[in-house]
Amino acid sequence: AQSVSQHNHHVILSEAASLELGCNYSYGGTVNLFWYVQYPGQHLQLLLKYFSGDPLVKGIKGFEAEFIKSKFSFNLRKPSVQWSDTAEYFCAVNPQGYQKVTFGTGTKLQVIP
Amino acid sequence: DGGITQSPKYLFRKEGQNVTLSCEQNLNHDAMYWYRQDPGQGLRLIYYSQIVNDFQKGDIAEGYSVSREKKESFPLTVTSAQKNPTAFYLCASSTAGANVLTFGAGSRLTVL
Repeated sequence: AQSVSQHNHHVILSEAASLELGCNYSYGGTVNLFWYVQYPGQHLQLLLKYFSGDPLVKGIKGFEAEFIKSKFSFNLRKPSVQWSDTAEYFCAVNPQGYQKVTFGTGTKLQVIP
Repeated sequence: DGGITQSPKYLFRKEGQNVTLSCEQNLNHDAMYWYRQDPGQGLRLIYYSQIVNDFQKGDIAEGYSVSREKKESFPLTVTSAQKNPTAFYLCASSTAGANVLTFGAGSRLTVL
Protein backbone atom coordinates (compact mmCIF):
# COMPACT_ATOMS: atom_id res chain seq x y z
CA ALA A 1 0.00 0.00 0.00
CA GLN A 2 1.12 3.51 -0.72
CA SER A 3 1.77 6.20 1.89
CA VAL A 4 2.73 9.88 1.88
CA SER A 5 4.82 11.86 4.35
CA GLN A 6 4.79 15.61 4.74
CA HIS A 7 7.39 16.57 7.28
CA ASN A 8 6.54 20.24 7.66
CA HIS A 9 3.33 20.57 9.66
CA HIS A 10 3.29 24.32 10.09
CA VAL A 11 5.39 26.84 8.18
CA ILE A 12 5.46 30.57 8.81
CA LEU A 13 7.04 32.86 6.20
CA SER A 14 7.21 36.55 5.50
CA GLU A 15 5.93 37.83 2.19
CA ALA A 16 8.48 37.52 -0.64
CA ALA A 17 10.26 34.63 1.07
CA SER A 18 10.84 31.45 -0.89
CA LEU A 19 8.85 28.33 -0.12
CA GLU A 20 9.69 24.66 -0.27
CA LEU A 21 7.36 22.04 1.20
CA GLY A 22 8.56 18.47 1.41
CA CYS A 23 6.65 15.42 0.25
CA ASN A 24 7.89 11.84 0.21
CA TYR A 25 5.92 8.80 -0.80
CA SER A 26 6.37 5.08 -0.50
CA TYR A 27 5.28 2.81 -3.33
CA GLY A 28 7.28 0.41 -5.43
CA GLY A 29 5.67 1.12 -8.78
CA THR A 30 4.81 4.02 -11.05
CA VAL A 31 2.75 6.78 -9.51
CA ASN A 32 0.78 9.90 -10.26
CA LEU A 33 1.56 12.74 -7.86
CA PHE A 34 -0.49 15.75 -6.84
CA TRP A 35 -0.47 18.83 -4.69
CA TYR A 36 -3.81 20.18 -3.50
CA VAL A 37 -4.49 23.40 -1.64
CA GLN A 38 -7.22 24.34 0.81
CA TYR A 39 -7.62 28.10 1.25
CA PRO A 40 -9.50 29.20 4.37
CA GLY A 41 -13.20 28.54 3.89
CA GLN A 42 -12.79 27.10 0.40
CA HIS A 43 -12.93 23.69 -1.26
CA LEU A 44 -9.80 21.65 -1.71
CA GLN A 45 -8.50 22.30 -5.20
CA LEU A 46 -5.76 20.96 -7.42
CA LEU A 47 -2.54 23.00 -7.45
CA LEU A 48 -0.52 20.81 -9.82
CA LYS A 49 -0.03 17.22 -10.94
CA TYR A 50 2.61 14.91 -12.33
CA PHE A 51 1.74 11.90 -14.47
CA SER A 52 4.85 11.41 -16.63
CA GLY A 53 7.45 13.27 -18.68
CA ASP A 54 9.25 16.41 -17.49
CA PRO A 55 9.77 15.96 -13.73
CA LEU A 56 9.45 19.70 -13.16
CA VAL A 57 5.79 20.61 -13.30
CA LYS A 58 4.20 24.01 -13.05
CA GLY A 59 0.85 24.72 -11.49
CA ILE A 60 -1.40 27.62 -10.74
CA LYS A 61 -0.38 30.82 -8.96
CA GLY A 62 3.34 30.40 -9.63
CA PHE A 63 3.78 27.09 -7.84
CA GLU A 64 5.97 24.32 -9.19
CA ALA A 65 7.05 20.88 -8.02
CA GLU A 66 9.87 18.56 -8.90
CA PHE A 67 9.57 14.79 -9.01
CA ILE A 68 12.79 13.06 -8.00
CA LYS A 69 12.20 9.37 -8.56
CA SER A 70 15.37 8.21 -6.79
CA LYS A 71 14.31 10.05 -3.65
CA PHE A 72 10.59 9.24 -3.90
CA SER A 73 10.00 12.96 -3.47
CA PHE A 74 7.69 15.56 -4.95
CA ASN A 75 8.53 18.84 -3.24
CA LEU A 76 6.47 21.96 -3.80
CA ARG A 77 8.19 25.30 -4.41
CA LYS A 78 7.39 28.93 -4.97
CA PRO A 79 10.09 31.60 -5.35
CA SER A 80 8.20 34.38 -3.61
CA VAL A 81 5.11 33.83 -1.45
CA GLN A 82 2.25 36.24 -0.98
CA TRP A 83 -0.13 36.74 1.92
CA SER A 84 -2.84 35.14 -0.27
CA ASP A 85 -0.86 31.87 -0.28
CA THR A 86 -1.86 31.30 3.34
CA ALA A 87 -3.55 27.90 3.19
CA GLU A 88 -3.11 24.22 3.94
CA TYR A 89 -1.24 22.20 1.34
CA PHE A 90 -1.65 18.48 0.78
CA CYS A 91 0.51 16.10 -1.20
CA ALA A 92 -1.19 13.01 -2.69
CA VAL A 93 -0.11 9.85 -4.50
CA ASN A 94 -1.99 7.48 -6.77
CA PRO A 95 -0.46 4.28 -8.18
CA GLN A 96 -0.92 4.30 -11.92
CA GLY A 97 -3.64 1.91 -13.02
CA TYR A 98 -5.39 2.07 -9.67
CA GLN A 99 -8.08 4.36 -8.39
CA LYS A 100 -6.94 4.83 -4.79
CA VAL A 101 -5.59 8.28 -3.94
CA THR A 102 -3.70 8.66 -0.65
CA PHE A 103 -3.02 12.03 0.98
CA GLY A 104 -0.38 13.25 3.37
CA THR A 105 -1.08 14.93 6.69
CA GLY A 106 -0.88 18.43 5.21
CA THR A 107 1.23 21.53 5.81
CA LYS A 108 -0.30 24.72 7.08
CA LEU A 109 1.40 27.74 5.54
CA GLN A 110 1.02 31.12 7.17
CA VAL A 111 2.39 34.10 5.26
CA ILE A 112 2.95 37.24 7.30
CA PRO A 113 2.57 40.57 5.47
CA ASP B 1 -22.36 24.54 -13.10
CA GLY B 2 -20.94 21.07 -12.62
CA GLY B 3 -19.81 20.08 -9.22
CA ILE B 4 -20.26 18.05 -6.07
CA THR B 5 -22.97 18.76 -3.55
CA GLN B 6 -22.62 17.50 0.00
CA SER B 7 -25.39 17.73 2.55
CA PRO B 8 -25.94 18.56 5.28
CA LYS B 9 -23.16 21.07 5.86
CA TYR B 10 -23.40 20.67 9.63
CA LEU B 11 -24.86 17.74 11.51
CA PHE B 12 -25.18 16.95 15.17
CA ARG B 13 -25.80 13.42 16.37
CA LYS B 14 -26.26 11.71 19.67
CA GLU B 15 -24.05 8.78 20.54
CA GLY B 16 -25.49 5.49 19.35
CA GLN B 17 -27.27 6.95 16.31
CA ASN B 18 -26.45 6.23 12.70
CA VAL B 19 -26.25 9.18 10.33
CA THR B 20 -26.08 9.35 6.55
CA LEU B 21 -24.15 12.02 4.66
CA SER B 22 -25.20 12.78 1.12
CA CYS B 23 -22.88 13.27 -1.86
CA GLU B 24 -24.19 14.03 -5.35
CA GLN B 25 -22.16 14.91 -8.46
CA ASN B 26 -23.21 16.11 -11.88
CA LEU B 27 -19.78 15.86 -13.47
CA ASN B 28 -20.44 12.46 -15.05
CA HIS B 29 -17.44 11.11 -13.15
CA ASP B 30 -17.10 7.36 -12.76
CA ALA B 31 -15.18 7.31 -9.48
CA MET B 32 -16.24 8.71 -6.13
CA TYR B 33 -14.47 8.92 -2.79
CA TRP B 34 -15.08 9.65 0.87
CA TYR B 35 -12.35 11.12 3.04
CA ARG B 36 -12.25 12.12 6.65
CA GLN B 37 -10.25 15.23 7.60
CA ASP B 38 -8.99 15.68 11.16
CA PRO B 39 -6.55 18.37 12.36
CA GLY B 40 -2.98 17.18 11.98
CA GLN B 41 -3.99 13.93 10.26
CA GLY B 42 -4.69 15.16 6.77
CA LEU B 43 -7.24 13.34 4.63
CA ARG B 44 -7.79 9.67 5.31
CA LEU B 45 -9.64 7.52 2.81
CA ILE B 46 -12.79 5.82 4.06
CA TYR B 47 -14.30 4.25 0.94
CA TYR B 48 -14.08 4.68 -2.79
CA SER B 49 -16.07 3.46 -5.76
CA GLN B 50 -14.89 3.05 -9.34
CA ILE B 51 -18.23 2.14 -10.88
CA VAL B 52 -21.88 1.74 -9.95
CA ASN B 53 -22.65 -1.13 -7.57
CA ASP B 54 -19.00 -1.55 -6.65
CA PHE B 55 -16.90 0.00 -3.89
CA GLN B 56 -13.71 -0.68 -1.97
CA LYS B 57 -12.63 -0.07 1.59
CA GLY B 58 -10.09 2.63 2.15
CA ASP B 59 -7.69 2.92 5.05
CA ILE B 60 -10.24 3.63 7.80
CA ALA B 61 -13.48 1.89 6.73
CA GLU B 62 -14.41 0.45 10.14
CA GLY B 63 -17.67 1.91 11.43
CA TYR B 64 -18.70 3.28 8.04
CA SER B 65 -20.80 1.97 5.16
CA VAL B 66 -21.53 3.20 1.64
CA SER B 67 -23.67 2.39 -1.37
CA ARG B 68 -23.35 3.24 -5.06
CA GLU B 69 -26.70 2.57 -6.69
CA LYS B 70 -26.43 5.49 -9.10
CA LYS B 71 -23.46 7.03 -10.85
CA GLU B 72 -24.29 10.44 -9.42
CA SER B 73 -24.68 9.44 -5.80
CA PHE B 74 -22.37 7.99 -3.13
CA PRO B 75 -23.90 8.33 0.36
CA LEU B 76 -21.85 7.58 3.47
CA THR B 77 -23.40 6.17 6.64
CA VAL B 78 -21.54 6.76 9.88
CA THR B 79 -22.69 3.97 12.14
CA SER B 80 -22.79 3.76 15.90
CA ALA B 81 -19.81 1.41 15.64
CA GLN B 82 -17.54 4.29 14.62
CA LYS B 83 -15.74 5.11 17.85
CA ASN B 84 -14.67 8.64 17.05
CA PRO B 85 -17.09 10.01 14.44
CA THR B 86 -16.74 13.74 15.10
CA ALA B 87 -14.89 15.01 12.03
CA PHE B 88 -15.06 16.87 8.75
CA TYR B 89 -16.09 14.57 5.89
CA LEU B 90 -15.15 15.27 2.29
CA CYS B 91 -16.59 13.69 -0.82
CA ALA B 92 -14.70 13.75 -4.12
CA SER B 93 -15.04 12.41 -7.63
CA SER B 94 -12.81 11.82 -10.64
CA THR B 95 -12.89 10.44 -14.14
CA ALA B 96 -11.70 6.85 -14.46
CA GLY B 97 -7.93 6.73 -14.76
CA ALA B 98 -7.18 10.43 -14.47
CA ASN B 99 -7.62 10.48 -10.71
CA VAL B 100 -7.65 14.25 -10.47
CA LEU B 101 -10.12 14.77 -7.66
CA THR B 102 -12.88 17.35 -7.53
CA PHE B 103 -14.02 17.96 -3.96
CA GLY B 104 -17.27 18.98 -2.38
CA ALA B 105 -17.57 21.59 0.37
CA GLY B 106 -17.66 18.98 3.12
CA SER B 107 -19.95 17.98 5.96
CA ARG B 108 -19.01 18.59 9.58
CA LEU B 109 -20.37 15.94 11.92
CA THR B 110 -20.40 16.49 15.66
CA VAL B 111 -21.38 13.72 18.04
CA LEU B 112 -22.76 14.99 21.32
